[in-house]
Amino acid sequence: IAGITQAPTSQILAAGRRMTLRCTQDMRHNAMYWYRQDLGLGLRLIHYSNTAGTTGKGEVPDGYSVSRANTDDFPLTLASAVPSQTSVYFCASSDSEAGRGGNEQFFGPGTRLTVL
Amino acid sequence: GQNIDQPTEMTATEGAIVQINCTYQTSGFNGLFWYQQHAGEAPTFLSYNVLDGLEEKGRFSSFLSRSKGYSYLLLKELQMKDSASYLCAVSDSNYQLIWGAGTKLIIKP
Repeated sequence: IAGITQAPTSQILAAGRRMTLRCTQDMRHNAMYWYRQDLGLGLRLIHYSNTAGTTGKGEVPDGYSVSRANTDDFPLTLASAVPSQTSVYFCASSDSEAGRGGNEQFFGPGTRLTVL
Repeated sequence: GQNIDQPTEMTATEGAIVQINCTYQTSGFNGLFWYQQHAGEAPTFLSYNVLDGLEEKGRFSSFLSRSKGYSYLLLKELQMKDSASYLCAVSDSNYQLIWGAGTKLIIKP
């Protein structure tokens, strides 16, 4: 693989169910991010990790959790899905934090999640 | 609060030039990014500005004025494939990206 992969591509989920969105990168990037993108709104940061073993909360962390056990993987878990979590979710990575040395973020293809 | 403003939608003609503006108010500034996002796809990096002035990269140029909290993306010799959303994002004092809602650019033949 090259770059960032996400799985699943799309998912329809019943409210109250638990769901894990997977993200894997093979660029050995230190920093990884989870965003949600909703119509009319900018990308909003859910959680981030500046390096393996550490995580931080973004702008909209409630209802979501992450882990960063190694450099490559950064799964996002919805413990009990609600309809307001219907969105497109993008995982991204960068060599270091955004803007430090002009490091750009590379994005995965996204997961389209619908919670009914 | 932190805020990034850009027009919701713009229309331009194939072969023409278009300028997409972005104004920002953020807690700290560590650079401004422009990304392109085609419908149904992931954003892809276009440019990065951290110092005032113009950065040129082929048909695309990006300008920054830190004192005015202002940037623009200039697209020349527009092609149909340039139809996309253009996202402005600022790296704040914590090196977190604050994103604008994006400008949808429609190119007409």
